[in-house]
Amino acid sequence: SQQGEEDPQALSIQEGENATMNCSYKTSINNLQWYRQNSGRGLVHLILIRSNEREKHSGRLRVTLDTSKKSSSLLITASRAADTASYFCATDDNNNDMRFGAGTRLTVKP
Amino acid sequence: DAGVIQSPRHEVTEMGQEVTLRCKPISGHDYLFWYRQTMMRGLELLIYFNNNVPIDDSGMPEDRFSAKMPNASFSTLKIQPSEPRDSAVYFCASSFGDRFNEQYFGPGTRLTVT
Repeated sequence: SQQGEEDPQALSIQEGENATMNCSYKTSINNLQWYRQNSGRGLVHLILIRSNEREKHSGRLRVTLDTSKKSSSLLITASRAADTASYFCATDDNNNDMRFGAGTRLTVKP
Repeated sequence: DAGVIQSPRHEVTEMGQEVTLRCKPISGHDYLFWYRQTMMRGLELLIYFNNNVPIDDSGMPEDRFSAKMPNASFSTLKIQPSEPRDSAVYFCASSFGDRFNEQYFGPGTRLTVT
């Protein structure tokens, strides 16, 4: 079963708009990571947030983590057509398992 | 560094044939992971190695699948005999220091079994 579940499954926005993707999980975690996958390529690591952190930034990316709600969000500001990709969250839990969600497919229209 | 290298990039084979996928991790990385990705099941961890030793193979679907890591710079995933339901993209990834650290993925091998 999947630990991290992203929503929405698909998101389509115009260039310049912000994109927000969410990830919910079921068990307590140590870390949560976000990855990006371009069509036909491997996953690329974006950002890691630890369970004792609430927010992290990297360029146009902002990740939040709410352990009380067991959820995380990935915000991409001022989106570009090149941001079109699938975005996955991955969680590692106290059972020593790391699981990827099903991903959110983001389309940014020029 | 060239990143994680996988070969072949595409493989088309007939049911019943043996398939061998290859991976070269990033030099210095001590963890290596094999994943399978399909539309239906998403990204699944098949097996991972630490310092060339298989640690967790609970994700390997069945005995037809086997993986080896004879040295720090090479790993193989073998399917024998292959079946159409094995069709998927197989990714190799590596990381350094902790299995939960950032993973670097290869470009994947797209396997089609007819």
